[in-house]
Amino acid sequence: DTAVSQTPKYLVTQMGNDKSIKCEQNLGHDTMYWYKQDSKKFLKIMFSYNNKELIINETVPNRFSPKSPDKAHLNLHINSLELGDSAVYFCASSLSGQNFYGYTFGSGTRLTVV
Amino acid sequence: KQEVTQIPAALSVPEGENLVLNCSFTDSAIYNLQWFRQDPGKGLTSLLLIQSSQREQTSGRLNASLDKSSGRSTLYIAASQPGDSATYLCATAGFQKLVFGTGTRLLVSP
Repeated sequence: DTAVSQTPKYLVTQMGNDKSIKCEQNLGHDTMYWYKQDSKKFLKIMFSYNNKELIINETVPNRFSPKSPDKAHLNLHINSLELGDSAVYFCASSLSGQNFYGYTFGSGTRLTVV
Repeated sequence: KQEVTQIPAALSVPEGENLVLNCSFTDSAIYNLQWFRQDPGKGLTSLLLIQSSQREQTSGRLNASLDKSSGRSTLYIAASQPGDSATYLCATAGFQKLVFGTGTRLLVSP
């Protein structure tokens, strides 16, 4: 069973469209994240949610809006897509607290804006 | 602000060699450090996690060390194989986020 699953795996869309990426984890983790990997393969955090509450918003444009309906899900909605949004978006999860066991990542969503 | 750097950026070795990948970070106030592997077009696979109180972790042919005081971690791969070819990323865990290094692209030729 996949621990952190993202859908879709690939997304090709035109500029100006609105799209969503979904993420689900079945690890019982309480914190979920979105990371962006740019064309130079550098990974950087976008958002983190703990128990459905936004903890980190790392200077991401307002066109990006995460939504966490429950601890196991964190979706990413992107409005008015731009060419520069083309990247691979990774969802991740972890269990917070003193016994910190590291992060588990999904397989990524490759977004191409044309 | 945490900055994580990995050296070398790329490495090409013949099969069977032992090799060391380096990771350095500027802020030693970390919870732990995690090494990942990323295959082309794929996600991240966690290799080793070293808690801030630990000095090293081992898994099979992989050994990772952590020296918080000097802001360094190394990933040692013994008897490298072509299947080890991938990009290796280190990441430091701070409050609610990982900060990733720039990665080392490894190619092991038969």
